[in-house]
Amino acid sequence: QKEVEQNSGPLSVPEGAIASLNCTYSDRVSQSFFWYRQYSGKSPELIMSIYSNGDKEDGRFTAQLNKASQYVSLLIRDSQPSDSATYLCAAYGQNFVFGPGTRLSVLP
Amino acid sequence: AAGVIQSPRHLIKEKRETATLKCYPIPRHDTVYWYQQGPGQDPQFLISFYEKMQSDKGSIPDRFSAQQFSDYHSELNMSSLELGDSALYFCASSFGVGSNQPQHFGDGTRLSIL
Repeated sequence: QKEVEQNSGPLSVPEGAIASLNCTYSDRVSQSFFWYRQYSGKSPELIMSIYSNGDKEDGRFTAQLNKASQYVSLLIRDSQPSDSATYLCAAYGQNFVFGPGTRLSVLP
Repeated sequence: AAGVIQSPRHLIKEKRETATLKCYPIPRHDTVYWYQQGPGQDPQFLISFYEKMQSDKGSIPDRFSAQQFSDYHSELNMSSLELGDSALYFCASSFGVGSNQPQHFGDGTRLSIL
């Protein structure tokens, strides 16, 4: 099992809907998790970090961490076409590890 | 706010040549990380430095070396370049090293090997 896994997508949602992105992780990574957004050919941009069980909200973004089930998710409310990008889940293990990313497409 | 600065933005080299990529971290950040990202792939960790000392080593080829200088900037030196080295190279920085420190990325250097 890879340390961080994501569904590669593409995930398509209509504009204004809630986009739900999921990430599962192995025991080899620590309990610190990060969501990055990456537009094609651009650098990863930090959106959220989450360290403890539960929800963390920042604007239209909510990160959820469930340590018992070893998953972390990112919800994007009121999705906009500009949210169309690849979303990378990352965590600390032996190194800082990225998941393969989920490509999100928000349709106007 | 000041971000991570990488130079050059684009670099074209031929096989067997050498290349040097530079990274200037966010002010007061003391940790630098290097990543390689091929087309359609997630970033692969190469190497990191904390307080001018190597802190972690990932999948960096022996042909590559890196260092962090007294002003905390870092350079990635690449020799005997191969076609497969064509990729985006990102540098990231953080304040301190540890599992709760998010990394902030520069815009990357796009390296093309002809």
